[in-house]
Amino acid sequence: EAQVTQNPRYLITVTGKKLTVTCSQNMNHEYMSWYRQDPGLGLRQIYYSMNVEVTDKGDVPEGYKVSRKEKRNFPLILESPSPNQTSLYFCASRQTAFPYNEQFFGPGTRLTVL
Amino acid sequence: RKEVEQDPGPFNVPEGATVAFNCTYSNSASQSFFWYRQDCRKEPKLLMSVYSSGNEDGRFTAQLNRASQYISLLIRDSKLSDSATYLCVVNMNTGFQKLVFGTGTRLLVSP
Repeated sequence: EAQVTQNPRYLITVTGKKLTVTCSQNMNHEYMSWYRQDPGLGLRQIYYSMNVEVTDKGDVPEGYKVSRKEKRNFPLILESPSPNQTSLYFCASRQTAFPYNEQFFGPGTRLTVL
Repeated sequence: RKEVEQDPGPFNVPEGATVAFNCTYSNSASQSFFWYRQDCRKEPKLLMSVYSSGNEDGRFTAQLNRASQYISLLIRDSKLSDSATYLCVVNMNTGFQKLVFGTGTRLLVSP
């Protein structure tokens, strides 16, 4: 089954404790990205990756890091989480060739930083 | 002006009604457009793609007006199961093909 998986699905942590949210896709997609979703603000892109070892900042990259060492994996790292990073996070992947079709999303990670 | 703008709603309609949502976008160079559906803080899922003037899939019709820079989604014969948030998504046609999401329009279909 074609899918994007994320772990963990739910996480409550404390300020300053480093965490990693994993993301993996099995569709051989080149493009992967991370979004956060907050009420009234919609989905905002944090980071994206066009391919292995190619990453770039999205609209709200502050406080986040990513890496793309393998095509299928794109982890999101919060080195020192703060309460304003409490949010719902989605990983997504898609092909890069035109027509730029469906972007597949993971099930989401609900993060609370105390 | 926001890159993609939607009326947040909610739109409250009875079963069987026809409802339409509009979405405006700022980048006249945009070439591809999408409607996604999102249920109650779950992941968004693709509903329809729009590359030319429009697209139709059963009860759902999407139309594109490039001159006025808006796309619309029409839902006919609304079902209770159509209750969700509908996200308008625009490919900004930049070098990295950035997708920009609207904040969504919430639809509530009642019996």
